[in-house]
Amino acid sequence: ETGVTQSPTHLIKTRGQQVTLRCSSQSGHNTVSWYQQALGQGPQFIFQYYREEENGRGNFPPRFSGLQFPNYSSELNVNALELDDSALYLCASSQRGGPDTQYFGPGTRLTVL
Amino acid sequence: EDKVVQSPLSLVVHEGDTVTLNCSYEVTNFRSLLWYKQEKKAPTFLFMLTSSGIEKKSGRLSSILDKKELSSILNITATQTGDSAIYLCAVGPLSSNTGKLIFGQGTTLQVKP
Repeated sequence: ETGVTQSPTHLIKTRGQQVTLRCSSQSGHNTVSWYQQALGQGPQFIFQYYREEENGRGNFPPRFSGLQFPNYSSELNVNALELDDSALYLCASSQRGGPDTQYFGPGTRLTVL
Repeated sequence: EDKVVQSPLSLVVHEGDTVTLNCSYEVTNFRSLLWYKQEKKAPTFLFMLTSSGIEKKSGRLSSILDKKELSSILNITATQTGDSAIYLCAVGPLSSNTGKLIFGQGTTLQVKP
Protein backbone atom coordinates (compact mmCIF):
# COMPACT_ATOMS: atom_id res chain seq x y z
CA GLU A 1 0.00 0.00 0.00
CA THR A 2 1.11 3.54 -0.76
CA GLY A 3 -0.17 5.38 2.29
CA VAL A 4 -2.46 7.54 0.14
CA THR A 5 -6.02 7.39 1.42
CA GLN A 6 -9.27 8.55 -0.18
CA SER A 7 -12.82 8.91 1.05
CA PRO A 8 -15.50 7.93 0.49
CA THR A 9 -15.00 4.61 -1.30
CA HIS A 10 -18.25 4.80 -3.20
CA LEU A 11 -20.74 7.56 -3.80
CA ILE A 12 -24.06 7.77 -5.60
CA LYS A 13 -25.43 11.18 -6.61
CA THR A 14 -28.11 12.49 -8.92
CA ARG A 15 -27.60 14.84 -11.83
CA GLY A 16 -27.22 18.46 -10.78
CA GLN A 17 -25.94 17.71 -7.30
CA GLN A 18 -22.54 18.63 -5.91
CA VAL A 19 -19.90 16.26 -4.51
CA THR A 20 -16.70 16.54 -2.46
CA LEU A 21 -14.02 13.87 -2.54
CA ARG A 22 -11.11 13.76 -0.10
CA CYS A 23 -7.51 12.62 -0.27
CA SER A 24 -4.68 12.34 2.24
CA SER A 25 -1.23 12.27 0.69
CA GLN A 26 1.60 9.92 1.56
CA SER A 27 3.90 11.02 4.36
CA GLY A 28 6.71 13.21 3.02
CA HIS A 29 4.82 14.21 -0.13
CA ASN A 30 3.75 17.81 -0.76
CA THR A 31 1.92 17.52 -4.08
CA VAL A 32 -1.45 16.03 -4.91
CA SER A 33 -2.80 15.28 -8.37
CA TRP A 34 -6.35 14.26 -9.26
CA TYR A 35 -7.32 12.00 -12.14
CA GLN A 36 -10.62 10.81 -13.58
CA GLN A 37 -10.76 7.26 -14.92
CA ALA A 38 -13.82 6.33 -16.96
CA LEU A 39 -14.61 2.66 -17.47
CA GLY A 40 -12.21 1.05 -19.91
CA GLN A 41 -10.00 4.13 -20.14
CA GLY A 42 -6.74 5.30 -18.66
CA PRO A 43 -6.73 8.02 -15.99
CA GLN A 44 -7.16 11.59 -17.25
CA PHE A 45 -5.38 14.43 -15.45
CA ILE A 46 -7.79 16.90 -13.80
CA PHE A 47 -5.40 19.16 -11.88
CA GLN A 48 -2.52 19.24 -9.42
CA TYR A 49 -2.09 21.10 -6.13
CA TYR A 50 1.19 22.28 -4.67
CA ARG A 51 1.59 24.72 -1.78
CA GLU A 52 -2.17 25.01 -1.55
CA GLU A 53 -2.48 26.37 -5.08
CA GLU A 54 -3.61 24.81 -8.33
CA ASN A 55 -0.51 24.04 -10.37
CA GLY A 56 -1.69 22.90 -13.77
CA ARG A 57 -5.04 21.77 -15.08
CA GLY A 58 -6.24 19.29 -17.64
CA ASN A 59 -9.15 19.65 -20.03
CA PHE A 60 -11.89 19.83 -17.41
CA PRO A 61 -14.52 22.57 -16.95
CA PRO A 62 -14.48 25.04 -14.05
CA ARG A 63 -17.16 23.09 -12.19
CA PHE A 64 -14.27 20.81 -11.22
CA SER A 65 -12.38 22.60 -8.47
CA GLY A 66 -10.11 21.69 -5.63
CA LEU A 67 -8.33 22.64 -2.48
CA GLN A 68 -5.13 21.69 -0.74
CA PHE A 69 -4.67 22.15 2.99
CA PRO A 70 -1.52 22.95 5.02
CA ASN A 71 -1.13 19.25 5.87
CA TYR A 72 -1.05 18.55 2.10
CA SER A 73 -4.38 16.74 2.07
CA SER A 74 -6.73 17.73 -0.72
CA GLU A 75 -10.35 17.90 -1.83
CA LEU A 76 -11.92 17.61 -5.26
CA ASN A 77 -15.26 19.35 -5.69
CA VAL A 78 -17.57 18.80 -8.62
CA ASN A 79 -20.64 21.01 -9.07
CA ALA A 80 -23.69 20.48 -11.25
CA LEU A 81 -22.98 16.78 -11.71
CA GLU A 82 -23.59 15.26 -15.12
CA LEU A 83 -24.10 11.62 -16.04
CA ASP A 84 -20.68 11.57 -17.75
CA ASP A 85 -19.02 12.44 -14.45
CA SER A 86 -19.58 8.82 -13.38
CA ALA A 87 -16.06 7.44 -13.03
CA LEU A 88 -13.31 6.37 -10.65
CA TYR A 89 -11.59 9.42 -9.18
CA LEU A 90 -7.98 8.82 -8.27
CA CYS A 91 -5.75 10.93 -6.11
CA ALA A 92 -1.97 10.65 -6.42
CA SER A 93 0.72 12.09 -4.20
CA SER A 94 4.29 12.95 -5.07
CA GLN A 95 7.18 15.14 -3.98
CA ARG A 96 7.72 18.29 -6.01
CA GLY A 97 11.21 18.33 -7.45
CA GLY A 98 11.58 14.60 -6.98
CA PRO A 99 11.06 11.76 -9.46
CA ASP A 100 7.94 11.79 -11.62
CA THR A 101 6.60 8.77 -9.75
CA GLN A 102 3.12 9.40 -8.40
CA TYR A 103 1.58 7.08 -5.82
CA PHE A 104 -2.13 6.48 -6.11
CA GLY A 105 -4.84 6.04 -3.55
CA PRO A 106 -7.61 3.43 -3.87
CA GLY A 107 -9.97 5.89 -5.55
CA THR A 108 -13.58 6.96 -5.11
CA ARG A 109 -16.17 5.38 -7.38
CA LEU A 110 -18.74 8.06 -8.26
CA THR A 111 -22.02 7.11 -9.87
CA VAL A 112 -24.30 9.86 -11.16
CA LEU A 113 -27.90 8.85 -11.81
CA GLU B 1 -1.39 16.92 -28.89
CA ASP B 2 0.46 14.66 -26.44
CA LYS B 3 -0.62 11.06 -26.78
CA VAL B 4 0.13 7.62 -25.35
CA VAL B 5 -1.08 4.45 -27.09
CA GLN B 6 -0.92 0.94 -25.68
CA SER B 7 -1.27 -2.37 -27.45
CA PRO B 8 -2.79 -4.82 -27.36
CA LEU B 9 -5.88 -3.57 -25.53
CA SER B 10 -6.46 -7.02 -24.08
CA LEU B 11 -4.62 -10.29 -23.87
CA VAL B 12 -5.45 -13.78 -22.61
CA VAL B 13 -2.62 -16.21 -21.84
CA HIS B 14 -2.03 -19.32 -19.77
CA GLU B 15 0.13 -19.62 -16.71
CA GLY B 16 3.79 -19.94 -17.60
CA ASP B 17 3.52 -17.95 -20.82
CA THR B 18 5.64 -14.89 -21.52
CA VAL B 19 3.88 -11.67 -22.52
CA THR B 20 5.05 -8.41 -24.04
CA LEU B 21 2.99 -5.26 -23.65
CA ASN B 22 3.63 -2.24 -25.84
CA CYS B 23 3.46 1.49 -25.26
CA SER B 24 4.16 4.22 -27.82
CA TYR B 25 4.09 7.94 -27.17
CA GLU B 26 4.07 11.33 -28.79
CA VAL B 27 4.86 14.06 -26.29
CA THR B 28 6.56 17.41 -26.36
CA ASN B 29 10.03 16.96 -24.89
CA PHE B 30 9.88 13.57 -23.24
CA ARG B 31 10.95 13.38 -19.60
CA SER B 32 9.93 9.97 -18.23
CA LEU B 33 7.79 6.88 -18.85
CA LEU B 34 6.10 4.97 -16.07
CA TRP B 35 4.39 1.59 -15.87
CA TYR B 36 1.62 0.86 -13.39
CA LYS B 37 -0.39 -2.26 -12.53
CA GLN B 38 -4.07 -1.76 -11.70
CA GLU B 39 -5.84 -4.74 -10.16
CA LYS B 40 -8.98 -3.31 -8.60
CA LYS B 41 -8.70 0.39 -8.08
CA ALA B 42 -5.34 1.92 -7.15
CA PRO B 43 -2.67 1.80 -9.88
CA THR B 44 0.48 0.36 -8.31
CA PHE B 45 3.84 1.71 -9.49
CA LEU B 46 6.08 -0.77 -11.31
CA PHE B 47 8.87 1.07 -13.13
CA MET B 48 10.04 4.50 -14.20
CA LEU B 49 12.26 4.86 -17.27
CA THR B 50 14.16 7.95 -18.27
CA SER B 51 16.98 8.88 -20.62
CA SER B 52 19.41 7.88 -17.91
CA GLY B 53 17.67 4.64 -17.06
CA ILE B 54 16.28 2.88 -20.10
CA GLU B 55 16.05 -0.63 -18.71
CA LYS B 56 14.55 -1.86 -15.45
CA LYS B 57 13.97 -5.33 -14.03
CA SER B 58 12.22 -6.66 -10.99
CA GLY B 59 11.73 -10.39 -10.63
CA ARG B 60 9.74 -11.67 -13.59
CA LEU B 61 8.96 -8.17 -14.87
CA SER B 62 11.23 -6.07 -17.01
CA SER B 63 10.86 -2.96 -19.13
CA ILE B 64 12.87 -1.24 -21.83
CA LEU B 65 12.61 2.27 -23.21
CA ASP B 66 13.42 2.92 -26.86
CA LYS B 67 13.79 6.69 -27.19
CA LYS B 68 14.52 6.43 -30.89
CA GLU B 69 11.27 4.58 -31.58
CA LEU B 70 9.36 6.56 -28.90
CA SER B 71 8.16 3.39 -27.30
CA SER B 72 8.52 1.02 -24.40
CA ILE B 73 7.79 -2.62 -23.71
CA LEU B 74 6.87 -4.39 -20.51
CA ASN B 75 7.78 -8.07 -20.39
CA ILE B 76 6.36 -10.57 -17.95
CA THR B 77 7.91 -14.04 -17.93
CA ALA B 78 6.44 -17.20 -16.40
CA THR B 79 3.08 -15.51 -15.93
CA GLN B 80 0.92 -16.34 -12.91
CA THR B 81 -2.79 -15.81 -12.29
CA GLY B 82 -1.82 -13.01 -9.91
CA ASP B 83 -0.47 -11.08 -12.89
CA SER B 84 -4.03 -10.64 -14.16
CA ALA B 85 -4.63 -6.89 -14.15
CA ILE B 86 -4.75 -3.75 -16.26
CA TYR B 87 -1.27 -2.48 -17.11
CA LEU B 88 -1.05 1.27 -17.60
CA CYS B 89 1.69 3.20 -19.34
CA ALA B 90 2.11 6.91 -18.56
CA VAL B 91 4.44 9.61 -19.82
CA GLY B 92 5.62 12.75 -18.08
CA PRO B 93 6.35 15.49 -20.61
CA LEU B 94 9.19 17.92 -19.98
CA SER B 95 7.03 20.74 -21.29
CA SER B 96 4.73 20.42 -18.32
CA ASN B 97 6.07 21.52 -14.95
CA THR B 98 2.86 20.43 -13.32
CA GLY B 99 3.86 16.83 -12.89
CA LYS B 100 0.99 15.86 -15.17
CA LEU B 101 1.10 12.25 -16.35
CA ILE B 102 -0.48 11.29 -19.67
CA PHE B 103 -1.84 7.76 -19.59
CA GLY B 104 -2.58 5.27 -22.30
CA GLN B 105 -5.84 3.37 -22.29
CA GLY B 106 -4.28 0.34 -20.67
CA THR B 107 -3.78 -3.32 -21.57
CA THR B 108 -6.02 -5.82 -19.79
CA LEU B 109 -4.12 -9.04 -19.14
CA GLN B 110 -5.91 -12.22 -18.11
CA VAL B 111 -3.79 -15.19 -17.08
CA LYS B 112 -5.66 -18.50 -17.04
CA PRO B 113 -4.59 -21.42 -14.84
